[in-house]
Amino acid sequence: SQTIHQWPATLVQPVGSPLSLECTVEGTSNPNLYWYRQAAGRGLQLLFYSVGIGQISSEVPQNLSASRPQDRQFILSSKKLLLSDSGFYLCAWSTFGQHREKLFFGSGTQLSVL
Amino acid sequence: GQQVMQIPQYQHVQEGEDFTTYCNSSTTLSNIQWYKQRPGGHPVFLIQLVKSGEVKKQKRLTFQFGEAKKNSSLHITATQTTDVGTYFCAVNQGGKLIFGQGTELSVKP
Repeated sequence: SQTIHQWPATLVQPVGSPLSLECTVEGTSNPNLYWYRQAAGRGLQLLFYSVGIGQISSEVPQNLSASRPQDRQFILSSKKLLLSDSGFYLCAWSTFGQHREKLFFGSGTQLSVL
Repeated sequence: GQQVMQIPQYQHVQEGEDFTTYCNSSTTLSNIQWYKQRPGGHPVFLIQLVKSGEVKKQKRLTFQFGEAKKNSSLHITATQTTDVGTYFCAVNQGGKLIFGQGTELSVKP
């Protein structure tokens, strides 16, 4: 069966520090991968999505970047965190076809930038 | 891009009362999905609707897709405390899922 791992669960970082959040998927190949951010416990904002290795689409201009060095690995990064980067970051995967882009989410990372 | 409006933002009900959340789009949708996020948790897929006028049920949950495929609703009959959480609709936009703002449901025992 497919599983998605996301870590860390919580993170407290000072303003101006770098960020690296990692997400890996097991049990499937060539998944679509996504990073969402949820501010104030509400709406889900799509940040990045990837349909393959090295292929990243950015949805909103921001202080963050994403990379996909391996088929089932998705990394969210920042060189210098801002206060506004605080939020709940969710990684997700999907496949085309049977599931019709149904998303499976990781357990999320609560990031606090102080 | 595809936008979907979800109302209400919050709903507080007494246990046993019904609950409904609505999603509306200005454009025709190919399909719509519904997710539930428990407090402190991550969104979990509930269902997908594809056909015009489609109605699907999961125990006390009833999902409807409008005839024009521009709106959808989730209705919970006789809410229980386990129904607490935020319910999101999501629509497909070029292979990406765009979420509504969600409806946060609280249930008073």
